[in-house]
Amino acid sequence: EAGVAQSPRYKIIEKRQSVAFWCNPISGHATLYWYQQILGQGPKLLIQFQNNGVVDDSQLPKDRFSAERLKGVDSTLKIQPAKLEDSAVYLCASSFGIREEAGEWETQYFGPGTRLLVL
Amino acid sequence: QKEVEQDPGPLSVPEGAIVSLNCTYSNSAFQYFMWYRQYSRKGPELLMYTYSSGNKEDGRFTAQVDKSSKYISLFIRDSQPSDSATYLCAMSVYYKLSFGAGTTVTVRA
Repeated sequence: EAGVAQSPRYKIIEKRQSVAFWCNPISGHATLYWYQQILGQGPKLLIQFQNNGVVDDSQLPKDRFSAERLKGVDSTLKIQPAKLEDSAVYLCASSFGIREEAGEWETQYFGPGTRLLVL
Repeated sequence: QKEVEQDPGPLSVPEGAIVSLNCTYSNSAFQYFMWYRQYSRKGPELLMYTYSSGNKEDGRFTAQVDKSSKYISLFIRDSQPSDSATYLCAMSVYYKLSFGAGTTVTVRA
């Protein structure tokens, strides 16, 4: 079974530039997550999609970050304009989704992440 | 106060030693408790999860949850150099994960 794919793996940009990250979840997974992991910290949820609808974006800095999941499969996360403090690893994860028979938790499978350095 | 507190270490142990990791949390609504392992430049991978107080074993790994004290632990027996990684505790309420900062563990051969 193929895992979660992310690209690019690394990106270096200057502050105020824009950048976009791409994620392809595991086939059949309805739920997709974007996390930000700053060095020395645990991942922090930015946005959660169920199919192509947003479930939770309460921690997404909406003045500069945007995300979309067209057709309920691939997703892109964009930062415009970037700030120095956006330097982090951006992780994408996916899970089967919110299902009544699964209870209230599903295993999330993480991609390798995109390392962003803002200079 | 953070919802999930985890000592970042680092922790260095000799091969064969028992590794003990722990986290505390403040949100009593957390229902599921997980440990993830993250190798350098990789995404986190799920090691173990549990939803009840008590112990759960899986090979060399034991997860322990004490809901009354809001405290969870992970023990790694007979540690190997391949166990060198960052270990993240995570807790969930309705599909939303909250992570600790992670503890970096090095097992010396």
